[in-house]
Amino acid sequence: SYELTQPPSVSVSPGQTARITCSGDALPKPFIFWYQQKPGQAPVLVIYKDTERPSGIPERFSGSSSGTTVTLTISGVQAEDEADYYCQSVDTISTCEVFGGGTKLTVL
Amino acid sequence: QVQLVQSGAEVKRPGASVKVSCRASGYTFTNYVVHWVRQARGQRLEWMGWISAGNGNTKYSQKFQGRVTISRDTFATTAYMELSGLMSGDTAVYYCARGRSICNGTICYFFFDYWGQGTLVTVSS
Repeated sequence: SYELTQPPSVSVSPGQTARITCSGDALPKPFIFWYQQKPGQAPVLVIYKDTERPSGIPERFSGSSSGTTVTLTISGVQAEDEADYYCQSVDTISTCEVFGGGTKLTVL
Repeated sequence: QVQLVQSGAEVKRPGASVKVSCRASGYTFTNYVVHWVRQARGQRLEWMGWISAGNGNTKYSQKFQGRVTISRDTFATTAYMELSGLMSGDTAVYYCARGRSICNGTICYFFFDYWGQGTLVTVSS
């Protein structure tokens, strides 16, 4: 089955830039979507179609794509950005939605 | 504003069934798909399936095929997820989410722009 691979954890100091990667091996590459999940809360969409930012999401959140790897970048990280981040896409064979394993972002 | 409001926490015995509801408001219910995603404590999000609120078509993850039934009531603008044959491994928070369709080449799929607050289902003897 199709898998999306994320690093388990990323740590940065406030004001620095955090980069979280999501890698899959589907070709052609389907779009990747990113969700932020804080403890005890439902996920929130922060990036869609690899690079698009929904309204209401701060500009410090951005996405980029290179080959089969997509990167979520948080510039000028703030304490409130500490959360789990999940990428999501689709298994192009089964056409079932899939999630990455999640990355815990720690703000030091 | 778009809202998805789920039913309250449930405690079930192994082998029982649970039915979780998700009441939608703030948008035209029948124009979208509703997905169900679950998350065991400390684990990743796990997609379970979806229902087209318009025509009632469904699609399920192979992992839950035969145990899960997703339905909807268009008059009540509510979607339901019923899981049968509960096991301790089904203890999780269950979320509903509105699906936005996107097509890329020959394949169409979904992402989730609004989520319910989650429903904790505990399976314990």
